[in-house]
Amino acid sequence: AQKVTQAQTEISVVEKEDVTLDCVYETRDTTYYLFWYKQPPSGELVFLIRRNSFDEQNEISGRYSWNFQKSTSSFNFTITASQVVDSAVYFCALSEWNTGFQKLVFGTGTRLLVSP
Amino acid sequence: DADVTQTPRNRITKTGKRIMLECSQTKGHDRMYWYRQDPGLGLRLIYYSFDVKDINKGEISDGYSVSRQAQAKFSLSLESAIPNQTALYFCATSDLGTSGPNTGELFFGEGSRLTVL
Repeated sequence: AQKVTQAQTEISVVEKEDVTLDCVYETRDTTYYLFWYKQPPSGELVFLIRRNSFDEQNEISGRYSWNFQKSTSSFNFTITASQVVDSAVYFCALSEWNTGFQKLVFGTGTRLLVSP
Repeated sequence: DADVTQTPRNRITKTGKRIMLECSQTKGHDRMYWYRQDPGLGLRLIYYSFDVKDINKGEISDGYSVSRQAQAKFSLSLESAIPNQTALYFCATSDLGTSGPNTGELFFGEGSRLTVL
């Protein structure tokens, strides 16, 4: 069964610090997609990134970067030089080929608090 | 306008009342979902539908029912609301792959906050 673990319930940092949010997944499938979503205090869910299981290249988008390592079943998310606007709950999620990518399974989320 | 619209956005009700949360989408996606979010538990799947004739239970369907009235509309009902159904509810859609890659990526509505007293 697929499973996503975000062991960090809450992280507090001071502005300009770098912070890494961990995501570990379990799947028996060789073809799958991993996602990160952001939920700011306003409550909506914002898509950040999608990565397929065959693409292990790290990705950087501005201050955001993602490290995908199949060997450790991890898809970690790093924010460089954090800002107060980064304060949110971040969710990691997984969809698998053997379910036709029909369902997205979410981790329990990590709440990031960035103080000035 | 939002591609996935949920109504109402906020609702306070009493135990035993019947509640319907509605979702409509303009994305043209076949798949629609209802998720529930509780603090510390993430998002959990209640029901999902791949077309108007297809309804599937998710991991926490007890106490809920759904109706897929049209490709663009998917409603969630609580026949007799209870306090532990107090939560933030999200409707979502995804593409079957006919107009884009089939990845499971979800497109969310803005959420409906339900409080059951």
